[in-house]
Amino acid sequence: RKEVEQDPGPFNVPEGATVAFNCTYSNSASQSFFWYRQDCRKEPKLLMSVYSSGNEDGRFTAQLNRASQYISLLIRDSKLSDSATYLCVVSNTGGFKTIFGAGTRLFVKA
Amino acid sequence: DTAVSQTPKYLVTQMGNDKSIKCEQNLGHDTMYWYKQDSKKFLKIMFSYNNKELIINETVPNRFSPKSPDKAHLNLHINSLELGDSAVYFCASSHTEWGSSTYEQYFGPGTRLTVT
Repeated sequence: RKEVEQDPGPFNVPEGATVAFNCTYSNSASQSFFWYRQDCRKEPKLLMSVYSSGNEDGRFTAQLNRASQYISLLIRDSKLSDSATYLCVVSNTGGFKTIFGAGTRLFVKA
Repeated sequence: DTAVSQTPKYLVTQMGNDKSIKCEQNLGHDTMYWYKQDSKKFLKIMFSYNNKELIINETVPNRFSPKSPDKAHLNLHINSLELGDSAVYFCASSHTEWGSSTYEQYFGPGTRLTVT
């Protein structure tokens, strides 16, 4: 079993749609959780950290369920510029060992 | 004002050669990383350093030798390059605050290594 698993997609959605990505992780001792975004041929960039209480940043909402070892990302009102690969990321204490999921590709079309 | 920089951006070399990639960060971070992203786009951690000390070595062949001369630099030297080493190598840095749950990593632009 992979340490961090994501549906690779691709997800093809029209502008304005709501899309949800899911991720599961295998190490119950994991401490920190993130969603990163990677554009084609670019470096990954932090989209948002994920907290147990859930958190929202504009059109983006992230949820963490520690009991089920499950992380989600919801994007509302999709924009063309949201087209990218979304990486689910899990770290141990201190962040020294960081595991990236394989990524979920999103294409938003006009 | 580049936060994490890597050189070179592209590297094309032949099998058996030795090459180095340099990484520098000007964010004042104390932790630096090397990642490899292969042709399937899977990003995998290779090494992490905290205050110049090796913390994580993810079963990387010993042909790969990282060196951290100071907290702002983490270089990667690769001996006897093989075809399978072709990938994009990303350097990253973060600030480690024990007890915090935020370890945002800032990535460099990547070095695209092609071994022929």
